[in-house]
Amino acid sequence: EVQLVESGGGLVQPGGSLRVSCAASGFTFSSYEMNWVRQAPGKGLEWVSYISSSGTTIYYADSVKGRFTISRDNAKNSLYLQMNSLRAEDTAVYYCARDGSTVTTFNWFDPWGQGTLVTVSS
Amino acid sequence: DIQMTQSPSTLSASVGDRVTITCRASQSISSWLAWYQQKPGKAPKLLIYKASSLESGVPSRFSGSGSGTEFTLTISSLQPDDFATYYCQQYNSYTRTFGQGTKVEIK
Repeated sequence: EVQLVESGGGLVQPGGSLRVSCAASGFTFSSYEMNWVRQAPGKGLEWVSYISSSGTTIYYADSVKGRFTISRDNAKNSLYLQMNSLRAEDTAVYYCARDGSTVTTFNWFDPWGQGTLVTVSS
Repeated sequence: DIQMTQSPSTLSASVGDRVTITCRASQSISSWLAWYQQKPGKAPKLLIYKASSLESGVPSRFSGSGSGTEFTLTISSLQPDDFATYYCQQYNSYTRTFGQGTKVEIK
C-alpha cells in the first residue's frame, strides 16, 4: 500500500524553528517528485514547496521563500521541511504529497499524507 | 503565478441533485487541472486529473470537463458521502496553485 506519514509537528514560538518529516512506503520513493502543501485552520490549500526526485530542483511559494528548506533522503525514503523564522501565519496542517506520475513533467498530487499540525504561538 | 478562482464558494444541494462547480484559471493551463475532495479532518483525495480523467476507484457520478481557462466538476446525482469541500488545482508549472474551495452543504 502506498503510504505517506508525516511527523514532527507541534507548538513553536514566533521566530522559532521546526522540522517536519514525511516517511514514504509502498512505492519507489527515489523515482517520484514530492511536495509540501499546507492548510491553515478553516482555510484552503496552499502549495508550499516542490523537490525533484533527485533533490536537485527545488521550488518554493513566495510566502515561505528564504525561511523554509525542503530536502529528501532517498536512502531513508523520507522527505523533510525545515521551517525557520516561523510566524503566526505559518500555523497550519502540513501535508506531504507525491506527484501523481513519473511520466509527465508537471503532475497532480496523489497520494497525500494525513498531515501534521504546526502551531506558531507564544 | 497562475491564479485559480472557483465558484460558488458554497453550494447547498439535496441528495440526487446534479451539482456543477466551476474553476477558472488566470491564464491558459491546457488540460493540466485536477480536482480533489476533502472532508473535515482528512487529507484531500484525488478525484479527477488532466481535467477529465477519472481517478481509479472514484465513482462514475463524478466527471470533469474543460480546457484552457475554464473547467467544471460535475456530480451527476449527489450522494450523502459527497457532502464535502472540493478544490481545483492547476499543474501547468512547478508552482502549482489551488482554487479557494467549494463547500457542498446539505440543503
